[in-house]
Amino acid sequence: NAGVMQNPRHLVRRRGQEARLRCSPMKGHSHVYWYRQLPEEGLKFMVYLQKENIIDESGMPKERFSAEFPKEGPSILRIQQVVRGDSAAYFCASSPATDNYGYTFGSGTRLTVV
Amino acid sequence: KQEVTQIPAALSVPEGENLVLNCSFTDSAIYNLQWFRQDPGKGLTSLLLIQSSQREQTSGRLNASLDKSSGRSTLYIAASQPGDSATYLCAVGTSGSRLTFGEGTQLTVNP
Repeated sequence: NAGVMQNPRHLVRRRGQEARLRCSPMKGHSHVYWYRQLPEEGLKFMVYLQKENIIDESGMPKERFSAEFPKEGPSILRIQQVVRGDSAAYFCASSPATDNYGYTFGSGTRLTVV
Repeated sequence: KQEVTQIPAALSVPEGENLVLNCSFTDSAIYNLQWFRQDPGKGLTSLLLIQSSQREQTSGRLNASLDKSSGRSTLYIAASQPGDSATYLCAVGTSGSRLTFGEGTQLTVNP
């Protein structure tokens, strides 16, 4: 079991470009979460997805950010028209079910906007 | 709104010392509490998971306790080693599967 796989590990984008971050959950896990860690800050919840469904996106910025978890393939966090303030580490976590199960985190994608 | 606070923000100890990291949370209606370790530039490694019905969990030199009614958890590290140097994060799981993280305690264990 390879754990939660995130790619790329590092991503550099120029202002205005699009960033696509991928997350493959652990085998058998159907729940995916995205968190963002801004420099010198704690991790903040962004979005919770199950296959083909967004369950809770209350932590997502209203504009430019979107997430999906298709029936086949990894979960994708998409940031359009990136700005310098989007530079952060983006972590994906997965769990087999809700509430009473721990989370397994990936190694993160470090996005730098130049 | 759940808020999680970790004290101290940073801690430096000599090798071999036993130490306690503290975590407090404002809303006692939690499902679980999880302690993570984060090394610089790396992801999060889960250390211990305590369900809301449990009082403590142990793994090797680590022991985590949970007092839900007072909104507190502690992580006890016995016989600390330089390899324990990292940032330790406390995260509270609430309804809806969201984790709320503290800001972390940055631990340095000096040889």
